[in-house]
Amino acid sequence: GQNIDQPTEMTATEGAIVQINCTYQTSGFNGLFWYQQHAGEAPTFLSYNVLDGLEEKGRFSSFLSRSKGYSYLLLKELQMKDSASYLCAAMDSNYQLIWGAGTKLIIKP
Amino acid sequence: GAVVSQHPSRVICKSGTSVKIECRSLDFQATTMFWYRQFPKQSLMLMATSNEGSKATYEQGVEKDKFLINHASLTLSTLTVTSAHPEDSSFYICSARAGGRELQPQHFGDGTRLSIL
Repeated sequence: GQNIDQPTEMTATEGAIVQINCTYQTSGFNGLFWYQQHAGEAPTFLSYNVLDGLEEKGRFSSFLSRSKGYSYLLLKELQMKDSASYLCAAMDSNYQLIWGAGTKLIIKP
Repeated sequence: GAVVSQHPSRVICKSGTSVKIECRSLDFQATTMFWYRQFPKQSLMLMATSNEGSKATYEQGVEKDKFLINHASLTLSTLTVTSAHPEDSSFYICSARAGGRELQPQHFGDGTRLSIL
């Protein structure tokens, strides 16, 4: 079957760095996507990786290892507004996104 | 770029009413649009995939006669919840993907919060 695993909840301190891990098992693979979802709002696209390596976008970076079925989202210089759920989604061979349940990130001052 | 507009943002209506939700891609053509439902503190659940000019593909357990999807143009898809009941109350979110470019990300509308009394 297809499966995405990510931690349910994480806590970090304002100004610090946090890494949210995601492992996936899919029927074929066409890319790994990260979305941010604030409570009561729709998800917003953050980044995606197709090839192995690190993609950097400002304070956010995403890493992919296809051989390990593993990705992480790295958030630097954490701000209170970064408190949200972070959704990992893998695209299978049919170009369907398989969604993780999301990681709720709590930022403390 | 990649703006998706969803309307209305909130609906409160009586049981038995049919509710229509619109999803528009404003600055790109979307061959494929997706409809999701999300209950409080739960993950996104894909309901159906909507392809322009063809019938929608529904996920297992989603009643196609209950949730009518129409994707009549490359920029508009609609979801109609027919004869809505309190158990249909949820957060409905659409997303769109640029036409012919499957490796592109899905971009989401702001969602519609549906409350059936």
